[in-house]
Amino acid sequence: EAGVTQFPSHSVIEKGQTVTLRCDPISGHDNLYWYRRVMGKEIKFLLHFVKESKQDESGMPNNRFLAERTGGTYSTLKVQPAELEDSGVYFCASSRHPLTDTQYFGPGTRLTVL
Amino acid sequence: DQQVKQNSPSLSVQEGRISILNCDYTNSMFDYFLWYKKYPAEGPTFLISISSIKDKNEDGRFTVFLNKSAKHLSLHIVPSQPGDSAVYFCAASSGAGSYQLTFGKGTKLSVIP
Repeated sequence: EAGVTQFPSHSVIEKGQTVTLRCDPISGHDNLYWYRRVMGKEIKFLLHFVKESKQDESGMPNNRFLAERTGGTYSTLKVQPAELEDSGVYFCASSRHPLTDTQYFGPGTRLTVL
Repeated sequence: DQQVKQNSPSLSVQEGRISILNCDYTNSMFDYFLWYKKYPAEGPTFLISISSIKDKNEDGRFTVFLNKSAKHLSLHIVPSQPGDSAVYFCAASSGAGSYQLTFGKGTKLSVIP
């Protein structure tokens, strides 16, 4: 069974540009989560999808971040326009059932905003 | 304000000995706790979990202990192996309509051969 995959693995952009991160969850996992780790800090929750619906987006920093999961399969996280403080590692995770099942994490996308 | 705290940024242990990683939490609504292991350039890998209705869960060399009154949990690795060297994250969730994980900052474990 393939794990959670994320693309790209690294992205370097300039302040003001737009970047789109992609996450492909484990097949059959309805629940998809985005997290972010800023350097030196803890991994922080951004949002949670159940299929194509946003279940919880309380962790989204501001309206420069837009997450979508059309069709309930893969998800994208767009940052527009990117700011310096958006630099960090963005992780995606998926699970079958949110309460009883483990969240399995992807390798992350390292975003650097210059 | 950090709701999950791992106060030791790093820990060094001799191969074959016990590794004890500690975690404290402040949110009384947390009822499910997990430990993840992370190697460089990889995502966190699930290790072991415990529900708040239990005080101990064991899986092979890994045991997690939960002390609800002290809001403290610990991960014991016995015996420690060089391949256990990684960053260990403690995480918690409340399951009260939101299944987000709240993570600690991690403890870097080095097992010395």
